[in-house]
Amino acid sequence: QVQLQESGPGLVKPSQTLSLTCTVSGGSISSGSYYWSWIRQPAGKGLEWIGRIYTSGSTNYNPSLKSRVTISVDTSKNQFSLKLSSVTAADTAVYYCARNILTGYSPFYYYYGMDVWGQGTTVTVSS
Amino acid sequence: EIVLTQSPGTLSLSPGERATLSCRASQSVSSSYLAWYQQKPGQAPRLLIYGASSRATGIPDRFSGSGSGTDFTLTISRLEPEDFAVYYCQQYGSSDTFGQGTKLEIK
Repeated sequence: QVQLQESGPGLVKPSQTLSLTCTVSGGSISSGSYYWSWIRQPAGKGLEWIGRIYTSGSTNYNPSLKSRVTISVDTSKNQFSLKLSSVTAADTAVYYCARNILTGYSPFYYYYGMDVWGQGTTVTVSS
Repeated sequence: EIVLTQSPGTLSLSPGERATLSCRASQSVSSSYLAWYQQKPGQAPRLLIYGASSRATGIPDRFSGSGSGTDFTLTISRLEPEDFAVYYCQQYGSSDTFGQGTKLEIK
């Protein structure tokens, strides 16, 4: 059974770069039908999609965060990572990683949703 | 970017009642790309529905999804105590988006 686990500093200073890693266990990150996402949730608020990375290495980002976000994958470690630069207090949130299932080929894709989630990690931006 | 608007913001019902949650998209979404999630306090979201109407593994059949185009609905036929939570719709696209959520609370 695939499990995801987020890790990284719980406290980041303003203007610095937030760095988180999601470790995939119980399965390969390179399986062809999957891609991998980061989502965040400020306390008491809704879910915000940050971005995703496909097994090919291609990425897509939330337009509102695109200038500050980088998502990468390390297949040798079965991990993918998030970097968010120039953080402010508005970036304080619980950060989740998730697995997505997408099958088919352009333009006939079928999306099976985010079926596996990490437990989430709280990141606070404060001096 | 497609904006998903969920209504109502809060829904107050009693166990045994039927719940109907709405998700409206700012432009047409393929039914193949629409999912629903349940989130309880302190927990990660859980996938309920994908492809607008297909239940995820282990999801009870009291949960059902429907809709197409810009209007989608999540229905819980008879509420159980464990169903009171926050529900989100989500669409896959060039940029994924979530709705703002509907809180289902006990009346």
